[in-house]
Amino acid sequence: LAKTTQPISMDSYEGQEVNITCSHNNIATNDYITWYQQFPSQGPRFIIQGYKTKVTNEVASLFIPADRKSSTLSLPRVSLSDTAVYYCLVGFTGGGNKLTFGTGTQLKVEL
Amino acid sequence: AAGVIQSPRHLIKEKRETATLKCYPIPRHDTVYWYQQGPGQDPQFLISFYEKMQSDKGSIPDRFSAQQFSDYHSELNMSSLELGDSALYFCASSLGDTGETQYFGPGTRLLVL
Repeated sequence: LAKTTQPISMDSYEGQEVNITCSHNNIATNDYITWYQQFPSQGPRFIIQGYKTKVTNEVASLFIPADRKSSTLSLPRVSLSDTAVYYCLVGFTGGGNKLTFGTGTQLKVEL
Repeated sequence: AAGVIQSPRHLIKEKRETATLKCYPIPRHDTVYWYQQGPGQDPQFLISFYEKMQSDKGSIPDRFSAQQFSDYHSELNMSSLELGDSALYFCASSLGDTGETQYFGPGTRLLVL
């Protein structure tokens, strides 16, 4: 499984756009990139998944450059309730679907 | 929409006791995963089941066992509990085991005294 590297923490203010970048230099051809959000003492919550270029849903966008060695989760106009740990995961979708969590990014949003 | 259900939500046990955690996947989901998250740690994969058969195994101690039943719910059995087993245990479910999105339950907080 490809190893991922993310910033340990980030600070932001309400209303700002937050971009969290994840490095995954050893990503394999079959790997997808998935982001989860976790609040304290709660189960991780799926945010977004992508393979290449750009993916957007109602809560976030995921930007993946052509070489796929990194990806950026973009959260538009964050609020206090977006304070959480964000995990970037890279994995093979053809089987053995266990998720390998690395050290996530603690995002703190302030007023 | 229905989510993953875990029971109990909280459990207190003494060392060397046994514990059973239960997981009820989202309806129609046939794959269940168990994760352990220690205090201040990231979730670690324990074991998974697809169509009632073990599909993958991670860092699950030999003292733990799990199974998936005909109604697709799963149970994690933990014996000879140790202080270090105190953690949050999450169950996740998906439809299929080939990369589909995993949806996590609220977790069971186990405290071993």
